[in-house]
Amino acid sequence: DTTVKQNPRYKLARVGKPVNLICSQTMNHDTMYWYQKKPNQAPKLLLFYYDKILNREADTFEKFQSSRPNNSFCSLYIGSAGLEYSAMYLCASSRWQGGAETLYFGSGTRLTVL
Amino acid sequence: GQQVQQSPASLVLQEGENAELQCNFSTSLNSMQWFYQRPGGSLVSLFYNPSGTKHSGRLTSTTVIKERRSSLHISSSQTTDSGTYLCALDSNNRIFFGDGTQLVVKP
Repeated sequence: DTTVKQNPRYKLARVGKPVNLICSQTMNHDTMYWYQKKPNQAPKLLLFYYDKILNREADTFEKFQSSRPNNSFCSLYIGSAGLEYSAMYLCASSRWQGGAETLYFGSGTRLTVL
Repeated sequence: GQQVQQSPASLVLQEGENAELQCNFSTSLNSMQWFYQRPGGSLVSLFYNPSGTKHSGRLTSTTVIKERRSSLHISSSQTTDSGTYLCALDSNNRIFFGDGTQLVVKP
């Protein structure tokens, strides 16, 4: 199974409320990523786990949290959603292939904050 | 600055026409990957192409490292090719995306 699964597919949240998104893969990939994608923009890397080590991008450091309880699962947590968080959130995982990485993406969770 | 420049931003074709999408990059390359996204769909990998030319049906990807570019050629386009095409550059364990090409193929 080479799929990356994301839940839920659609998420509605209120401003100021927390949001938790889930991602899983069964390919035993060591790296899992979370991207934010808005229309007509490139996917923006928010954070990634290499094994158990979390790396967060500097400009989104305080906005997003994540946990990876085991190799297969990775969550994205927003403590207090704002309107600007409305976007598609894409989870990806990767495996090392001949010195570089091949990315596998999930279908995404479309978050709408009202 | 932006590591990956993708062009054109949008493209409208008549069915049967060919398309050439480009990505130019300004940093060192480990690999280039091309993705396709149907509206509302997930990112589907089309090619993993660190160098040279690869073919898959009507699609051809060519990456020329010394010229810092990668292209995706679509021949005999079909309406089902409509969607967003993204290139992603893997450079020293960091992945940079282009802004994408929005392709519309009209019947």
